[in-house]
Amino acid sequence: DAGVIQSPRHEVTEMGQEVTLRCKPISGHDYLFWYRQTMMRGLELLIYFNNNVPIDDSGMPEDRFSAKMPNASFSTLKIQPSEPRDSAVYFCASSLIPLVTGATHQPQHFGDGTRLSIL
Amino acid sequence: QQQVKQSPQSLIVQKGGISIINCAYENTAFDYFPWYQQFPGKGPALLIAIRPDVSEKKEGRFTISFNKSAKQFSLHIMDSQPGDSATYFCAASNNTDKLIFGTGTRLQVFP
Repeated sequence: DAGVIQSPRHEVTEMGQEVTLRCKPISGHDYLFWYRQTMMRGLELLIYFNNNVPIDDSGMPEDRFSAKMPNASFSTLKIQPSEPRDSAVYFCASSLIPLVTGATHQPQHFGDGTRLSIL
Repeated sequence: QQQVKQSPQSLIVQKGGISIINCAYENTAFDYFPWYQQFPGKGPALLIAIRPDVSEKKEGRFTISFNKSAKQFSLHIMDSQPGDSATYFCAASNNTDKLIFGTGTRLQVFP
């Protein structure tokens, strides 16, 4: 089974431009997470969805960031306008609902990330 | 109170040695403590996890030690190998599917 697929792998753009990151979760997974990784702040949860519905967006840094999940197999994270401080590696992860499997927790499966550089 | 503090930031170990990474938390409602391993250019992947009702969990060369009263847990890598060189993240969750990650430890194992 294919893992979580993110695109693009690398993105370099100028400040002020709109950036769209894409994620395809593992088929059948009910949760989808967006993270940002930087040297200074480590791995930060930005937002997560359950069955395509946003559950917690408290980690979204500001209104310039938005995320959508129009269906179970696709999500986007958009930054508009982008700023140099948004430069980071952005990860998407997905997982199963624990109750369905009988476990109390399920592992999150991460994609390989999008390395974003804003000049 | 939602933070997970991880140390050291980086660790250098000789092949065959023991690597130890420590984490501490404040929120007593946390009930799940996984460790994730990340190789360069890849996303983190679950390595091993523990619930607070046990004090130790071992999988191969990897062991989690858990001290509930001290609110601390640690990852021990026995017989460390160059292939173990990666960044390791501890994490915690309080009965939700949201994980709070530590800041990561970069492990380098030299032959």
